[in-house]
Amino acid sequence: DAEITQSPRHKITETGRQVTLACHQTWNHNNMFWYRQDLGHGLRLIHYSYGVHDTNKGEVSDGYSVSRSNTEDLPLTLESAASSQTSVYFCASSPGEISGGNEQFFGPGTRLTVL
Amino acid sequence: GQNIDQPTEMTATEGAIVQINCTYQTSGFNGLFWYQQHAGEAPTFLSYNVLDGLEEKGRFSSFLSRSKGYSYLLLKELQMKDSASYLCAAMDSNYQLIWGAGTKLIIKP
Repeated sequence: DAEITQSPRHKITETGRQVTLACHQTWNHNNMFWYRQDLGHGLRLIHYSYGVHDTNKGEVSDGYSVSRSNTEDLPLTLESAASSQTSVYFCASSPGEISGGNEQFFGPGTRLTVL
Repeated sequence: GQNIDQPTEMTATEGAIVQINCTYQTSGFNGLFWYQQHAGEAPTFLSYNVLDGLEEKGRFSSFLSRSKGYSYLLLKELQMKDSASYLCAAMDSNYQLIWGAGTKLIIKP
């Protein structure tokens, strides 16, 4: 079955280290998104991509980067991890042309702790 | 600015009906989504409304009033497994989703 996976599921790292979170989907979806979810806040968009070699900044992109070299993967890199980046990170994808009705399918999430 | 408001927490009884409200302000509007999220899990899609009115899908219904910037999710015949957070998200003119903080629904026997 087609799916969207994230790895690792849990990660503990230290302040200042570079961290990469993986996201892989097998639906062949054009559109991929990275969100963070914190208590008391809605999901906040970090970066998104509408296709290979396309990347865009979201609402909270500072300190994060992404690259899209193929359809299936959108890795998220924290260049120099900070305690404020402790959060649960969700990757999502959606099919086809960007339009109003396209639901997003979410991965299981990565819980990241920065000490 | 863009904003989504929904209650933080609601409590209901098994077998009853509950309505979760959501108000939104966005730059442009391309529809309103409801997602369900069980604790420790990913959000899963429940419904999408872009026209005014009620959309029914089994025990769950979703309503939209574009003129009032208002939506609600109606859950009937509540079951214990409906205990979860319910996320309201409005799609803006750039087709980006603006998310509410979620409503935690507690079901009591």
